[in-house]
Amino acid sequence: EIVLTQSPGTLSLSPGERATLSCRASQSVSSSYLAWYQQKPGQAPRLLIYGASSRATGIPDRFSGSGSGTDFTLTISRLEPEDFAVYYCQQYGSSPHPQFGQGTKVEIK
Amino acid sequence: QVQLVESGGGVVQPGRSLRLSCAASGFTFSNYAMHWVRQAPGKGLEWVAVISYDGSNKYYADSVKGRFTISRDNSKNTLYLQMNSLRAEDTAVYYCAREESLELVFGPRSYYFDYWGQGTLVTVSS
Repeated sequence: EIVLTQSPGTLSLSPGERATLSCRASQSVSSSYLAWYQQKPGQAPRLLIYGASSRATGIPDRFSGSGSGTDFTLTISRLEPEDFAVYYCQQYGSSPHPQFGQGTKVEIK
Repeated sequence: QVQLVESGGGVVQPGRSLRLSCAASGFTFSNYAMHWVRQAPGKGLEWVAVISYDGSNKYYADSVKGRFTISRDNSKNTLYLQMNSLRAEDTAVYYCAREESLELVFGPRSYYFDYWGQGTLVTVSS
């Protein structure tokens, strides 16, 4: 089973700053299988990125995804107040069992 | 617009059963695989189960295998999760999610969850 490890656990930043979130897989993952989700308190997760770098419908272009193999990154170029949330990476496609990372919380500094 | 609405959560004693439902609308339900994902209080997301578009294939997380059963009724546009032998560690918000897949220019087909319900809380406690 592929294990996804996200870092850091918490990222403390100010609005307008750049956020860089990491997702590392325990073995190589096809970029096609890597997605990112945003979750705000009391809400369901929301798809941000699929295929490692393709933005979902309606997602602002300040969100970007990159990476390959075992290392993937979600970048938020300039944090807006509504971007403070928890972010999860997900791997799905190499087996019928999707896996999520443990999440990175982006909090206001 | 796509809507997924879960129901059936509540407080249940350990060892008892509960059935969750997820009513789908705004899309052709019978064309999509569907998932259940749960989130324990203050914790991350845990995938629970998936069912293929026609119900012929089902897969489960090891933590629920043999106790939970995923099913669907395409005539009613509804997804179900039958949960038996419930344990305290099953306490969580349970979300249903739609699986989308897309052929990318390079590489294999991409799979992801494009729509989620609002969740229903299951509390297992005596």
